[in-house]
Amino acid sequence: QVHLVQSGAEVKKPGASVKVSCKASGHTSPAFGISWVRQAPGQGLEWMGWIGTYSDKTNFAQKFQGRLTMTIDTSTTTAYMELRSLRSDDTAVYYCARGRAVAERYTLDVWGQGTTVTVSS
Amino acid sequence: DIQMTQSPSSLSASVGDRVTITCRASQSINVFLNWYQQKPGEAPALLIYASSSLPSGVPSRFSGTGSGTDFTLTISSLQPEDFATYYCQQTFSTPTFGPGTKVDI
Repeated sequence: QVHLVQSGAEVKKPGASVKVSCKASGHTSPAFGISWVRQAPGQGLEWMGWIGTYSDKTNFAQKFQGRLTMTIDTSTTTAYMELRSLRSDDTAVYYCARGRAVAERYTLDVWGQGTTVTVSS
Repeated sequence: DIQMTQSPSSLSASVGDRVTITCRASQSINVFLNWYQQKPGEAPALLIYASSSLPSGVPSRFSGTGSGTDFTLTISSLQPEDFATYYCQQTFSTPTFGPGTKVDI
């Protein structure tokens, strides 16, 4: 059984960057990439982007192009999400989630516990 | 982007009720439609994938139907642990989620 464990809560000032980690443990293979999804307080889910297991492919939601970087360190089975130029409306819980199968990379069957990012001056 | 809508946005129901939630896509998405359940303070959990398939461990009272633009999630007999928010997600193109349907007592 795969578990995804995310790094702890962050508080950042506007204009700063945040980097969230997501470590896979348990039976970690096969894996079909990691998506990042966020949820603003009291709001719904927003898909941000996906990175392939070997960092060979990425896909981004248009609104995050140029501001979002995703990486995977296969040696430590850890995925990272960095969001730059933070604004107050980036305040949210950020989730990593695993793709279910190679043809269902965006079907998310294992989720991390979430990381709260607060952007405030 | 493909836009997803859900109805109703919220509903009140009782244990044992049959509950139906609908999801509509702004263009045809074949059967590339998933449903997730999210309880307060928890991460979402995959409930149904590819419109009608249940992952292992999901109770059979949950079912999904639909193709093209119109989809339905049905809970045949609502249980106490089913009070939650339900989201649809299309994966036909760059993924998008619906706004959610909150099911409460």
